[in-house]
Amino acid sequence: DGGITQSPKYLFRKEGQNVTLSCEQNLNHDAMYWYRQDPGQGLRLIYYSQIVNDFQKGDIAEGYSVSREKKESFPLTVTSAQKNPTAFYLCASNSISGNTIYFGEGSWLTVV
Amino acid sequence: DQQVKQNSPSLSVQEGRISILNCDYTNSMFDYFLWYKKYPAEGPTFLISISSIKDKNEDGRFTVFLNKSAKHLSLHIVPSQPGDSAVYFCAASIVNSGNTPLVFGKGTRLSVIA
Repeated sequence: DGGITQSPKYLFRKEGQNVTLSCEQNLNHDAMYWYRQDPGQGLRLIYYSQIVNDFQKGDIAEGYSVSREKKESFPLTVTSAQKNPTAFYLCASNSISGNTIYFGEGSWLTVV
Repeated sequence: DQQVKQNSPSLSVQEGRISILNCDYTNSMFDYFLWYKKYPAEGPTFLISISSIKDKNEDGRFTVFLNKSAKHLSLHIVPSQPGDSAVYFCAASIVNSGNTPLVFGKGTRLSVIA
């Protein structure tokens, strides 16, 4: 099946730990994105990448890091520097020539 | 500074009636607009879009209207069905500058009452 796969769906993290959320797409899309959703805040852009080995900070990049070593993969690391990491994280992608982005199913991260 | 605003956090509509969801934007460079629908604990799904060269786009029960002079767009759902109950996000981008990332509003929760 073609699509965007995020894993894990649910993740619990202790304070002070780094965690990595996986995002894989087999749509041959050039660009990939990470958004965060908090109640009442809508979707806020964390990082995005339009080509392999290149990425740009979004509006709320502090405390996060990404890599884009392969076209199909765009993992997000939530570091201990992120003060309020508990949220719903959404990965998305699109082709450079396309105007619509498509989302994965999301990952819930809870800090305990 | 919010560039895309959805000023109504929630909306309730009777089944069979029209639902109208509104969205305003401040950046006049935006030239492409989209609506997404989202159920709890799921990723948003694309619903409908409109380019700034048009003022209306229709797809089945869903119609999006764009008023560039007012920097306003709206999504009409007719007739509304209980399955339409979800959070709807308005989004905008600047296509002519090489597809900037989408900027989203905060969403409007639509409840369709049977």
